[in-house]
Amino acid sequence: AQKITQTQPGMFVQEKEAVTLDCTYDTSDPSYGLFWYKQPSSGEMIFLIYQGSYDQQNATEGRYSLNFQKARKSANLVISASQLGDSAMYFCAMREVDNNTDKLIFGTGTRLQVFP
Amino acid sequence: DAGVTQSPTHLIKTRGQQVTLRCSPKSGHDTVSWYQQALGQGPQFIFQYYEEEERQRGNFPDRFSGHQFPNYSSELNVNALLLGDSALYLCASSFQGGSETQYFGPGTRLLVL
Repeated sequence: AQKITQTQPGMFVQEKEAVTLDCTYDTSDPSYGLFWYKQPSSGEMIFLIYQGSYDQQNATEGRYSLNFQKARKSANLVISASQLGDSAMYFCAMREVDNNTDKLIFGTGTRLQVFP
Repeated sequence: DAGVTQSPTHLIKTRGQQVTLRCSPKSGHDTVSWYQQALGQGPQFIFQYYEEEERQRGNFPDRFSGHQFPNYSSELNVNALLLGDSALYLCASSFQGGSETQYFGPGTRLLVL
């Protein structure tokens, strides 16, 4: 079975600094997709970035980038120039295909707090 | 372009009651997936609906059931509520069965007393 591990329950970063949130995954499928979502206190899961297992380059979306190391099975999220509004829970997720159904397997999340 | 919407936003029920949660997918999406997120945990997959049929179910009992309508909106029903059903229920929509990115709604917070 596929599994996502996020070992950092909480992280602190100063405004304008960069921060890396760790994510490791376990799968035997050669084709998979990895996602990062942000969840503010309001509860909505906001899609941030996607990395496909066959993508040659690391994904980037504005201030978000994904440090994809396939051999190490890691997909760390890097947030550059942190802002106070980045304070939230961050979840790493993997797409699992089972009986023609694409579902997401989530990690336990990392709470990021940005301070002035 | 409307995103995923869910109703109600909050709900309080007592043990043994039944509840219905509703979800409207993002415009252009045809697939709805439901997730349960207990406090301090990541979301857990309940089931997915595509072409008005349940495609697969996660590790949830039959008390959890759902439906998808011709306009792609969906309902999640939970019967015989237990205290442990208290959670944030998230709906996610996607295109063509979920092979594309899933976009989430704001969730419904259910409290069972």
